[in-house]
Amino acid sequence: DQQVKQNSPSLSVQEGRISILNCDYTNSMFDYFLWYKKYPAEGPTFLISISSIKDKNEDGRFTVFLNKSAKHLSLHIVPSQPGDSAVYFCAASVEGGKLIFGQGTELSVKP
Amino acid sequence: NAGVTQTPKFQVLKTGQSMTLQCAQDMNHEYMSWYRQDPGMGLRLIHYSVGAGITDQGEVPNGYNVSRSTTEDFPLRLLSAAPSQTSVYFCASRRWDRPYNEQFFGPGTRLTVL
Repeated sequence: DQQVKQNSPSLSVQEGRISILNCDYTNSMFDYFLWYKKYPAEGPTFLISISSIKDKNEDGRFTVFLNKSAKHLSLHIVPSQPGDSAVYFCAASVEGGKLIFGQGTELSVKP
Repeated sequence: NAGVTQTPKFQVLKTGQSMTLQCAQDMNHEYMSWYRQDPGMGLRLIHYSVGAGITDQGEVPNGYNVSRSTTEDFPLRLLSAAPSQTSVYFCASRRWDRPYNEQFFGPGTRLTVL
């Protein structure tokens, strides 16, 4: 039973355009949502997070939107750059600090 | 700060062999965890620890043991390796009081069990 789902395994975007990565979840008890970025042969690195009591959080080119009624969150990257090409994981936090990850979406930003 | 370090980077085992994956962090983080990453499955939590002497199971604990004798170290033991344990293993740590549970990950250990 996958509590956090990223239904798009891959996404290709032109440099300078917007990248939108999506994530759905089933457990309404999640208290935080996080996005991690992963390059090949490296560990995931934290990108941005959002509390379950907010609906938007912005950090530079990265914005995360949370729609609690739809149990859906999205990561917007504007403008997209070739260095953003990586695998992006959505994760949800449960009480006690455990993270539950989605399957990941591989973003390719083409020059 | 070295952050979270993991050794070895690569390992090949035969079925039935045992080994220990090492993880260390120098950030004085209370919380440490082990994940495995498999294609199409994301990262799944194996075991975690909220402090020295305290460990608990995650989503996929079978076949793995952990212990936490110091704040810095959190080794993962495979007692009898199986091909299903072929995966990339990541160790992570974080401060207990961080509100959004951001975790810092090591570079990973790629394990192949033949």
